[in-house]
Amino acid sequence: NAGVTQTPKFRVLKTGQSMTLLCAQDMNHEYMYWYRQDPGMGLRLIHYSVGEGTTAKGEVPDGYNVSRLKKQNFLLGLESAAPSQTSVYFCASGFTTSGERSVQYFGPGTRLTVL
Amino acid sequence: GENVEQHPSTLSVQEGDSAVIKCTYSDSASNYFPWYKQELGKRPQLIIDIRSNVGEKKDQRIAVTLNKTAKHFSLHITETQPEDSAVYFCAASRGYSTLTFGKGTMLLVSP
Repeated sequence: NAGVTQTPKFRVLKTGQSMTLLCAQDMNHEYMYWYRQDPGMGLRLIHYSVGEGTTAKGEVPDGYNVSRLKKQNFLLGLESAAPSQTSVYFCASGFTTSGERSVQYFGPGTRLTVL
Repeated sequence: GENVEQHPSTLSVQEGDSAVIKCTYSDSASNYFPWYKQELGKRPQLIIDIRSNVGEKKDQRIAVTLNKTAKHFSLHITETQPEDSAVYFCAASRGYSTLTFGKGTMLLVSP
């Protein structure tokens, strides 16, 4: 099993350009997430999905869009990149148990720089 | 929404010493508290978790304690080793699908 994979690993954009980050998981998890990680800020949730065809906003959704057309894939889009979106982006997939545990497995991350 | 505070932001210890990282949460309905370890340049990985109906949980050299009344929980690492050096994140959840993370603690273990 590959677990959670992310494409690409690195990317440099110019302000105003658009791009899509791809997350794939082969663990048949219902839940998928996109986080951004900035120095001293921890992991902040951008958007998440509780199943195929669903999406929901997290803590910092502005400037991002997502889609979950297939259960195994979760796409994060930046329509018009800004320098403030320079960050490391982590995708995660996971499951809950009896409404008590929200277990998440993270991908390797994508380092995005917006100039 | 939930707010998780984590202290300290940096912790330096000598090999063999114990390390303690503390977190407080704001939502009294939170019932699940995981800890993630992130080595430099790597992904966060779950190392231990605790549910609200348990006061303490141990796994070899690591343990987590929970005080529901005070709304705080802690990670304890005994007999620290250089490979314990990493950033540790606490998180809290109502057990639904989302976690709220603390800002992380960088643990440095010197040989």
